[in-house]
Amino acid sequence: DAGVTQSPTHLIKTRGQHVTLRCSPISGHKSVSWYQQVLGQGPQFIFQYYEKEERGRGNFPDRFSARQFPNYSSELNVNALLLGDSALYLCASSLLSAGGLGANVLTFGAGSRLTVL
Amino acid sequence: QKEVEQNSGPLSVPEGAIASLNCTYSDRGSQSFFWYRQYSGKSPELIMFIYSNGDKEDGRFTAQLNKASQYVSLLIRDSQPSDSATYLCAVKPSGTYKYIFGTGTRLKVLA
Repeated sequence: DAGVTQSPTHLIKTRGQHVTLRCSPISGHKSVSWYQQVLGQGPQFIFQYYEKEERGRGNFPDRFSARQFPNYSSELNVNALLLGDSALYLCASSLLSAGGLGANVLTFGAGSRLTVL
Repeated sequence: QKEVEQNSGPLSVPEGAIASLNCTYSDRGSQSFFWYRQYSGKSPELIMFIYSNGDKEDGRFTAQLNKASQYVSLLIRDSQPSDSATYLCAVKPSGTYKYIFGTGTRLKVLA
C-alpha cells in the first residue's frame, strides 16, 4: 500500500509568489493534516481536514489556506510568500479526526521542502 | 512555558547502552502521547504511542507515561548507530485535532 504522498518534493520560490502543495492520504484515511517544520524546530500545526471540512486551524496568517477534495486528497496554498515561509511542509493522514483513544495516529508523508528567496 | 518541552541535546550514548529521552507537557487534559523519530532531511516516523500511565514496550523501545507529573519518556535499549536521529515528542490534547510537538532531542549513538 502506498503511504502518504506529497508533491512537489522540493521547490524554490521568490518573495511575493504563491505556492500550492499537494497531498494524497493513505487509502482509507479520511483525515489530512498539514504541519510546517522550520529547521531546528518541531512541526507546527497548520490545518486539519476531515471529510472535506476544516476541523482545526493553527496560528498561521490568512495567507495560508487549504482544502480537501472528495477523494480525500488535499492542497495547501500559501500566498504572498515571505522568507520566513521557508520550511519543510508535512502532510499527515489519519483514520479519524478528534476520535477516541487510538483513533488518531498521524502518518507523515516525505514532505515538501520550500525555499523562499 | 512551552507546551511540550524536550532537551535539544545532543544526547550521546555508546553503542549497546540505554538511551533515555524525556519530555514534559503543560496541558493536564492531554490524553495521547507519541514518539516520532526523524532522520536528518527526512520526515517524522512513528515509533510508538501511549495513552495509559505506566510502561509500554515494543521491541527495544519502551515508552513511559506519568500523567500526574506530566512527563513522558522513551527508553531505547541496546542502542545502535542507526538509532542516531532526532526524537520528537508529541502530545494531543483531549478534544483537539492537532498534535503539539516538542523541538526534539538529537540522539547520537557512538560506535
